[in-house]
Amino acid sequence: GNSVTQMEGPVTLSEEAFLTINCTYTATGYPSLFWYVQYPGEGLQLLLKATKADDKGSNKGFEATYRKETTSFHLEKGSVQVSDSAVYFCALSDWNNAGNMLTFGGGTRLMVKP
Amino acid sequence: DAGVIQSPRHEVTEMGQEVTLRCKPISGHNSLFWYRQTMMRGLELLIYFNNNVPIDDSGMPEDRFSAKMPNASFSTLKIQPSEPRDSAVYFCASSRASGGAWEQFFGPGTRLTVL
Repeated sequence: GNSVTQMEGPVTLSEEAFLTINCTYTATGYPSLFWYVQYPGEGLQLLLKATKADDKGSNKGFEATYRKETTSFHLEKGSVQVSDSAVYFCALSDWNNAGNMLTFGGGTRLMVKP
Repeated sequence: DAGVIQSPRHEVTEMGQEVTLRCKPISGHNSLFWYRQTMMRGLELLIYFNNNVPIDDSGMPEDRFSAKMPNASFSTLKIQPSEPRDSAVYFCASSRASGGAWEQFFGPGTRLTVL
């Protein structure tokens, strides 16, 4: 079956530090990959996505590249801000799934200190 | 676009009472998902619908939980009777299953507290 593994948090960084949150996946088909962000008290919002190997998704200074050879989709940002403090979820959807379910990782909490 | 709408935003009830959570998906979306989020178990998919038909309810914890989608613009998740361990944030999400990357759009959630 499909699965997504993320690094456990919390990740604590100082403002302007470089961020990497690791995500690896297992899928039976050709998945699309997503990063969602959840700010305190809110629902999940799509941050970025990639639909095929070597695609790079980017948004709000965040980037992630779909690496089929390493089955990874690591999230990066060059300079984090306090406002980036949130929980980040890696997810995949797979053609072979019945319908369009997403398989989520466990989430990684990011805390950015001023 | 109003996004996914959920009501109520907060619900406090006593053990044994019936609880009904409501969701209005984004217009034009044909898939709807109910999730539960807790600190202990993280984000769990409870059930999802395609074109108003339940496709997978294997995540529904037990018979006390039921979900319906009578039309394309409305769904309910009912818990009867409620128990303290049902306390969680319940999210509804919708998606347009028409190929490509099947992005889901989440509502703001209903925070349920069962005393």
